[in-house]
Parts: sequence; structure tokens; C-alpha cells
Amino acid sequence: GGIITQTPKFLIGQEGQKLTLKCQQNFNHDTMYWYRQDSGKGLRLIYYSITENDLQKGDLSEGYDASREKKSSFSLTVTSAQKNEMAVFLCASSPQGTGTEVFFGKGTRLTVV
Amino acid sequence: GEKVEQHESTLSVREGDSAVINCTYTDTASSYFPWYKQEAGKSLHFVIDIRSNVDRKQSQRLIVLLDKKAKRFSLHITATQPEDSAIYFCAASPPSGTYQRFGTGTKLQVVP
Repeated sequence: GGIITQTPKFLIGQEGQKLTLKCQQNFNHDTMYWYRQDSGKGLRLIYYSITENDLQKGDLSEGYDASREKKSSFSLTVTSAQKNEMAVFLCASSPQGTGTEVFFGKGTRLTVV
Repeated sequence: GEKVEQHESTLSVREGDSAVINCTYTDTASSYFPWYKQEAGKSLHFVIDIRSNVDRKQSQRLIVLLDKKAKRFSLHITATQPEDSAIYFCAASPPSGTYQRFGTGTKLQVVP
């Protein structure tokens, strides 16, 4: 088995601040994802990466940057935090291939004051 | 854009009864349909999936049905137990399988 570790668990930022969320996986999976979870809106895909140094935009990429410098790590940057924003950011990974289950980390809860 | 819609936002059933959660999708090319469970305070984990080459799959008390013509799939939980209480998410994946698009989640409550 493996694990996905997200840091930090909780992140409090100020309006306009640039914030970085980190994710590490030891499954040796090729593909990694960042999803945003809002109450009542489900999970929305922000960015994904199918291999080291690859980046693909999801449905919600505006306002975010991502970086996949190593196979095992995938970071997400909120380029300018929005006031009163509250969401959980979930990192996930899966093996490469046509349709496989995705494994999720425990999330980073963001609050912007 | 392409969407996955989950029709029940909440569902309450009596212990021992069956629960049914329905989803529809818009991308005709979708070929993989997983379901995930999120228990209170925890992250999501995979529970069952179905591929477009079959229309029914069962794993113990979980049954997934797929109607490609209607672009609809459903999760049936039989003989529900209190530990089935959670939020269930459906998802759909294109043929490339490189990402999954999720529904909005259904909060299932199993009442003793």
C-alpha cells in the first residue's frame, strides 16, 4: 500500500496572498491531481499531471498554478487568495491507464480572512 | 462543458432497506464510472466501478447499473447498515482515462 501526504493540513491566508499547497505520494503512480471540494458543489478538477513536468488544466484552473517537478510530488499555488474563501483542496493519484481508481489524500483546508 | 450530475443531495433510509443514488453524464465518450465514499471527517475512498462494456456489476452489497443510452448510472446499496452512512460521489472518465469528473455528492443517512 501507499499513502498521499498533504501539507499543511490547515492553511489560513490573507486576501491577495500567494499560497502554496504540497502533496507527496509513495504509490509510484504516474498521474496526480488537484481537486477543490466545496460544500454542495462536489469535487472540481483544478490541475492534473500525467508524468513528471507535465501539467494539464482542469475545469477550475483559473487563479491557480501547479508544478510537478518530481514523479512523487505535485504542488498547487493559489495565485491570489480571495477574501472569505473556504474550501478543502484534495490531492490524488492514480496509475496510468484507461480508467483506474483514484487514491486521495486527507486534504488541506483553506480559510482566507 | 461536460458535466456529471448527481440527483439526490440527501437520502435517508431505514437500516436494512436499499438505497439508490442516481447520476447522469453528458460526455457520450465516457467509458469508466467509479463511485467513492467519504465518511465524516475523512477523505474519499473508492468503493466500486463499472466500465462501459457492461451494464451491471456487483460487489457484495453494492450494485452499479449503467444505461449508456440514457447516459445514466446508479449505485444500489442493499441491506443498508449504519456504517453505510456517508457522502457518496459518482464520477465519469473519458476513454483516455486521464482524469475523472465528479458529481456533487449524495449524503446518505441510514437510520436504525
